[in-house]
Amino acid sequence: AQSVAQPEDQVKVAEGNPLTVKCTYSVSGNPYLFWYVQYPNRGLQFLLKYITGDNLVKGSYGFEAEFNKSQTSFHLKKPSALVSDSALYFCAVRDTDSWGKFQFGAGTQVVVTP
Amino acid sequence: GAGVSQTPSNKVTEKGKYVELRCDPISGHTALYWYRQSLGQGPEFLIYFQGTGAADDSGLPNDRFFAVRPEGSVSTLKIQRTERGDSAVYLCASSLGSGSFNEQFFGPGTRLTVL
Repeated sequence: AQSVAQPEDQVKVAEGNPLTVKCTYSVSGNPYLFWYVQYPNRGLQFLLKYITGDNLVKGSYGFEAEFNKSQTSFHLKKPSALVSDSALYFCAVRDTDSWGKFQFGAGTQVVVTP
Repeated sequence: GAGVSQTPSNKVTEKGKYVELRCDPISGHTALYWYRQSLGQGPEFLIYFQGTGAADDSGLPNDRFFAVRPEGSVSTLKIQRTERGDSAVYLCASSLGSGSFNEQFFGPGTRLTVL
C-alpha cells in the first residue's frame, strides 16, 4: 500500500524567508508524487509533480520540490515566501496498482507573516 | 465555466435521508474522481471513473455509497440512509486520459451536514 506523511501540522515563516514543507512517502514501486495547495473556501490546486527524471521539480507560483529516493522524501520548497502563500498544502502519492487512486497526506498549514 | 463544478455547494439533511451530489468535470476530461475530506484531514479517495465505468471503487466506505457516470461526463455521488458520520466536504476532480500522470483539477466541493 502507498502512503504519504506530512510530519508538521503547521509551518510558520516570515515573508521573504525560505519555506519548506516536508513530505515522506512509502510505495511498493516507482513513486509518483504530487503537491497541491488549498486556499480557504476554494478547491485544491495543483502545484507540481514528480514522475521521473530530475530530482528537482519546478512548479507553479515559484514552488519547487526535491525528490530524494534514499530518504523517501519529496519536500516542497520556496526560496522566498509571500504572505499570499499562506494556505493548506497537501502531498499525494499515486497508487502503483490503480493509476487513478491517490493517497493524500493530512496536510500542512503554512502561515507566512508580514 | 472552464473548471470543475459541484452542486450543491452546501447540503444539510437529516439522518436517514438520501442525498445526491453532482459533479460536472472539465470538458474533455475522461477521468473523474470523488474524495471525501473531513475537518483537519486530507482528501480520502472514494472512487474514480475512466469514461462511464468505475475503474476503482475501493474507497467507498460501505454499500450506502454509490456513484454513477452514465454518459462519461457528469457524475453523481449517491448516499443512502445518511449518518452523522457522513458529514464532510465531498470533492470531485477530473483529469485527462487514462494511464496518464496528468494532474487532477478539483472542484470547490459540496459540504454535507447530516443532522
